[in-house]
Amino acid sequence: LAKTTQPISMDSYEGQEVNITCSHNNIATNDYITWYQQFPSQGPRFIIQGYKTKVTNEVASLFIPADRKSSTLSLPRVSLSDTAVYYCLLAGSSGDKLTFGTGTRLAVRP
Amino acid sequence: ETGVTQTPRHLVMGMTNKKSLKCEQHLGHNAMYWYKQSAKKPLELMFVYSLEERVENNSVPSRFSPECPNSSHLFLHLHTLQPEDSALYLCASSQDSGGETQYFGPGTRLLVL
Repeated sequence: LAKTTQPISMDSYEGQEVNITCSHNNIATNDYITWYQQFPSQGPRFIIQGYKTKVTNEVASLFIPADRKSSTLSLPRVSLSDTAVYYCLLAGSSGDKLTFGTGTRLAVRP
Repeated sequence: ETGVTQTPRHLVMGMTNKKSLKCEQHLGHNAMYWYKQSAKKPLELMFVYSLEERVENNSVPSRFSPECPNSSHLFLHLHTLQPEDSALYLCASSQDSGGETQYFGPGTRLLVL
């Protein structure tokens, strides 16, 4: 049973803001929402993590509504180098393992 | 640079060969992982080590044999592989094995002929 659901692919143009939404209807109380980025032939790279409301770092923002059943990764003013696969995962208590789904393949065009 | 290194970066081997993949982490983490990523498929967790003890083996065939001599090093010994084992093999580490942020190495691209 998939823990998270996200779009398979998205297209954008340079300079636009990209929002990728992830559904996690069965999120547990102790789950954190974590996003990773993966470029071709490289390992995934941690982007951002949050529990509720909004989290922002130098790379992205993460918006989490009060019910925590979904989350949105926001990438401001994307560039060609943001073309990658973005994974939404739930990271919970000790003993849980990160489960990577198929992710969202983002293509940024000139 | 994530603090996790893997060697070799590329490997071609025949089905009768024996080879080993090496992973080293310089982050002081206690947990290390092996993942397999086949073309256009999700990452598959293979093995998890915590404090040098194997804590998870996700039904991986015995032709893959992990070894963790200390908390900084992880090996994956390969023997009599099949062509369908060709994939990107990724190593990761985290502070502990409870779902914390994982730091991945660059991976080893393996081709089995």
